[in-house]
Amino acid sequence: DTAVSQTPKYLVTQMGNDKSIKCEQNLGHDTMYWYKQDSKKFLKIMFSYNNKELIINETVPNRFSPKSPDKAHLNLHINSLELGDSAVYFCASSPDRGGNTEAFFGQGTRLTVV
Amino acid sequence: KQEVTQIPAALSVPEGENLVLNCSFTDSAIYNLQWFRQDPGKGLTSLLLIQSSQREQTSGRLNASLDKSSGRSTLYIAASQPGDSATYLCAVPLTTDSWGKLQFGAGTQVVVTP
Repeated sequence: DTAVSQTPKYLVTQMGNDKSIKCEQNLGHDTMYWYKQDSKKFLKIMFSYNNKELIINETVPNRFSPKSPDKAHLNLHINSLELGDSAVYFCASSPDRGGNTEAFFGQGTRLTVV
Repeated sequence: KQEVTQIPAALSVPEGENLVLNCSFTDSAIYNLQWFRQDPGKGLTSLLLIQSSQREQTSGRLNASLDKSSGRSTLYIAASQPGDSATYLCAVPLTTDSWGKLQFGAGTQVVVTP
């Protein structure tokens, strides 16, 4: 069974469009995350979400917004897509927000903005 | 601010040779250190989580050591196989908060030749 799943796996869209990436975890974890992996393969945290509390990385544009309908889901909405948004986006989860537990990652969504 | 460095950036070894991957971090006040594997076009697979109180963690052919005082961790992979070819990433929780957000190194790309 897939622990952290993301859809879609690939997403190609035009500049200016609005798109969403879905993430679901079946591990019963309390905390979920979104990471961005840029063209240089460097992974950076975008958001942490725990029990309706959202911590935003200050470098993330406000065109990006995470939305959590319930504890098992954390979707990523992106408005007015730009070429620089092209990257691989990873969802992850961990048991708690304490920082001392193992993180599990999804398979990633490769977003290409043309 | 925590910074994580991985050396070397790339490594090519013949099958059967042992692999030694290095990870260093600037702030020794970490909860744990996690090693991941990333295959091309795939997500991250957690390999080992070593807690700050541990000096070593083992799983099969993998062994990770942690020296907090010197800010270093080493991942050893014994008797490498072509299937070990992947990018290996180390990550530590950011120390400025308790949300479990991870700071990643840039990774070591490993190629094991038959």
